Amino acid sequence: ETGVTQSPTHLIKTRGQQVTLRCSSQSGHNTVSWYQQALGQGPQFIFQYYREEENGRGNFPPRFSGLQFPNYSSELNVNALELDDSALYLCASSLSRGGAYEQYFGPGTRLTVT
Amino acid sequence: GQNIDQPTEMTATEGAIVQINCTYQTSGFNGLFWYQQHAGEAPTFLSYNVLDGLEEKGRFSSFLSRSKGYSYLLLKELQMKDSASYLCAVRDNTGGFKTIFGAGTRLFVKA
Repeated sequence: ETGVTQSPTHLIKTRGQQVTLRCSSQSGHNTVSWYQQALGQGPQFIFQYYREEENGRGNFPPRFSGLQFPNYSSELNVNALELDDSALYLCASSLSRGGAYEQYFGPGTRLTVT
Repeated sequence: GQNIDQPTEMTATEGAIVQINCTYQTSGFNGLFWYQQHAGEAPTFLSYNVLDGLEEKGRFSSFLSRSKGYSYLLLKELQMKDSASYLCAVRDNTGGFKTIFGAGTRLFVKA
């Protein structure tokens, strides 16, 4: 196990609703990244936080937003859920700002939008 | 933009050697990673290359050529438990930091 935890494990929401997913980083890690992984695909980068500030973002609309807290835990918020948002959401923590070291992934949250 | 290509599927025999290739295009290259992902599980880190050459780590080796935008992961002495998806990912620092993953290569190891 990596020491990265995510909650909840599974979640079912209705189109148009809002959802918050949570991630606790591995001890000592100051950088967290969020990914969306559809079945049979590689993880798609959503954004990265370093010391409570977003310092990298992928091609996701503004309804995907995040927070990182002083203890380096993190949240991913998704507003106005769409059916295509159904996926596995992974967070990964690492030690350096550039993330040029390995990322440790949590087990993921499986989100289903109906 | 960024683009990563790797074969969709490969099959190899237990005890053999397999090479999984990855080609990439990115404007702000800052390192290449390989991850292993078993079905229903999170990716786990295998290797990291930022300079050209070969990095060896037990049964796994990874090679990088930055001028060619090319990497490969070499798995030796294949075991049944190596059946998994292998993800190539590139670190890009253009306009902020981001990690771009390929779609993954599903490796089937047969007896």
